[in-house]
Parts: sequence; C-alpha cells; structure tokens
Amino acid sequence: SQQGEEDPQALSIQEGENATMNCSYKTSINNLQWYRQNSGRGLVHLILIRSNEREKHSGRLRVTLDTSKKSSSLLITASRAADTASYFCATDAKTGNQFYFGTGTSLTVIP
Amino acid sequence: DGGITQSPKYLFRKEGQNVTLSCEQNLNHDAMYWYRQDPGQGLRLIYYSQIVNDFQKGDIAEGYSVSREKKESFPLTVTSAQKNPTAFYLCASTTAVYNEQFFGPGTRLTVL
Repeated sequence: SQQGEEDPQALSIQEGENATMNCSYKTSINNLQWYRQNSGRGLVHLILIRSNEREKHSGRLRVTLDTSKKSSSLLITASRAADTASYFCATDAKTGNQFYFGTGTSLTVIP
Repeated sequence: DGGITQSPKYLFRKEGQNVTLSCEQNLNHDAMYWYRQDPGQGLRLIYYSQIVNDFQKGDIAEGYSVSREKKESFPLTVTSAQKNPTAFYLCASTTAVYNEQFFGPGTRLTVL
C-alpha cells in the first residue's frame, strides 16, 4: 500500500505551544499535501509540498519533506484552541492518478 | 463564489434503497474524486474521473456507481448492493497543474 501514516495518532498540548506531527509513506511521490478536518466537516487544504521542495511555510504552518526517508512533518507554531482538529497527509504517486491518505493525527489544543 | 458543493448534508436510507449523492464544482477542475470515511479512519477512494464521460474504480468501488456527464458534476449512487453504506462521503476535485486536491463539505449517509 502507498498509504501515508501519521504519527502520533493523538496529540494534546497547551495553547501557545508548538505541535508537530509526522507522515511517512512508502513509494516515490509527486507531491504531499496536508489537510485539517474539524469534526463532521470536509477536509481543508493547508499546504502542498512538491517532491523537489524541502520546506514550505504558510502563516503558522511549516512543512518539511525528506524524500530519502519518505517522510514529512507539519509544525503548527503558537497553537490556538481553534487548531483542534484532525490532520491528514495525502500523497500522490509518480504513477497513477490516485491520492493516498493516512488515518490522521487528532490534535487537541487546551485553552 | 468558487468551490465544491455536496448535497444533501445528511441522508437517510432504508435497507434495499439506492440513493444518489450530489457533487458539483465551479472550479473548472477536470478531475473529481469520491471518498468514503468511517469513524476514526482515513479516506478510502471509491471512484475517480479524470475527464468527462470517463471514470475509474478506486479501492472500494463495489456497491457504488458514478457518472460524469458534465465537467462540473460527479454524482455518486450508493446501491443496495453496498452492504455497509453508513459513512461520511467526501467529494473532491483536483487542479491540473500541481494536483492540489480540494474537498466539499461532505454528506453523512445513515442506513435505517
């Protein structure tokens, strides 16, 4: 399976702290995308990092990609209670048109 | 206002009934996808379509059917052959250049 796997499965932090979650995958990819999902809602696209990029920033988000280790990390700095959600990574392989999602990291930010 | 819309938000089905979930996008994306999400799980691909009048099965296509008669629309029918259809269904469309995938708000289907 080319499915991504997020780690940890659950994370609980205090407001203002940084949150780091990781994603590992198995095959060569074109891109890796991170999403946020609030309970019962659709997925919100956060950031896309291409296979030839190593780091990308968007506001309080920082994503890194290490293709040699087949892994990515999402860092949320200065977390807020509103960041409480599940976070998923998705990869699309160099061959084919499918996307592969992990089971997500459930983040709880305590006010 | 651009985006992906799904309707209805909640849907209830009796045993043996077929139901159709709507997905519409005005983003001018060629590719559209249907996923199923079960509680505490990731997304599993049901069907996807790269162009009008063409679609491919995903990992869990059994018991589902789709059509792609228009670029903007990709409806999903959950047939009576799908034995465990209660789930959250998500539709997505994808940009051509970088394959960024964007999602609709989802439809929660419950079998009574």
